[in-house]
Amino acid sequence: AQSVTQLDSHVSVSEGTPVLLRCNYSSSYSPSLFWYVQHPNKGLQLLLKYTSAATLVKGINGFEAEFKKSETSFHLTKPSAHMSDAAEYFCVVSANDYKLSFGAGTTVTVRA
Amino acid sequence: DADVTQTPRNRITKTGKRIMLECSQTKGHDRMYWYRQDPGLGLRLIYYSFDVKDINKGEISDGYSVSRQAQAKFSLSLESAIPNQTALYFCATSDGVRTAEAFFGQGTRLTVV
Repeated sequence: AQSVTQLDSHVSVSEGTPVLLRCNYSSSYSPSLFWYVQHPNKGLQLLLKYTSAATLVKGINGFEAEFKKSETSFHLTKPSAHMSDAAEYFCVVSANDYKLSFGAGTTVTVRA
Repeated sequence: DADVTQTPRNRITKTGKRIMLECSQTKGHDRMYWYRQDPGLGLRLIYYSFDVKDINKGEISDGYSVSRQAQAKFSLSLESAIPNQTALYFCATSDGVRTAEAFFGQGTRLTVV
């Protein structure tokens, strides 16, 4: 079985300040991990993915995430938030059954 | 054109009515999925199909059925819609690799009144 817990349902940051979205996972197998972003009234877009290569993964729009097996975490960060980063973010795990399990989501608000 | 197309994009239907949501993809993937999104719950898997002859229930399949008409087409039906099926529905595809990302449609917003 696999599951994902996103530790914050809502994060509010000022434009130009760092963003941290926290994600913990559980999986009986070596997982693949993903972060997706959903802008209002849009579908889901892949930000980045971890597939057992480098533990620090760089994605689009300046986002990156670090896989920490000992902590079962896959936190998403961005050094400097932009207004366009306001969206909902999902942490997702895929294990040996090829299905994707989603976290509940974190809504990011960016203050001018 | 989008890789994954869902129709309709929005639908309001009455309790007890049958409704079908359609999904088509141009990625050439074998695997297709239907998810439901509710606020605060993320996306939950309704049904998934690994090829035309392989269809499986997800975690919340009660009240839903699916049809895989071709590699590129995967439809979701609500046989008798009820208000708590009001949600945003997403179709997705992926290839047959565990590390592969999923590609999502734009979603269908369904309201059951």
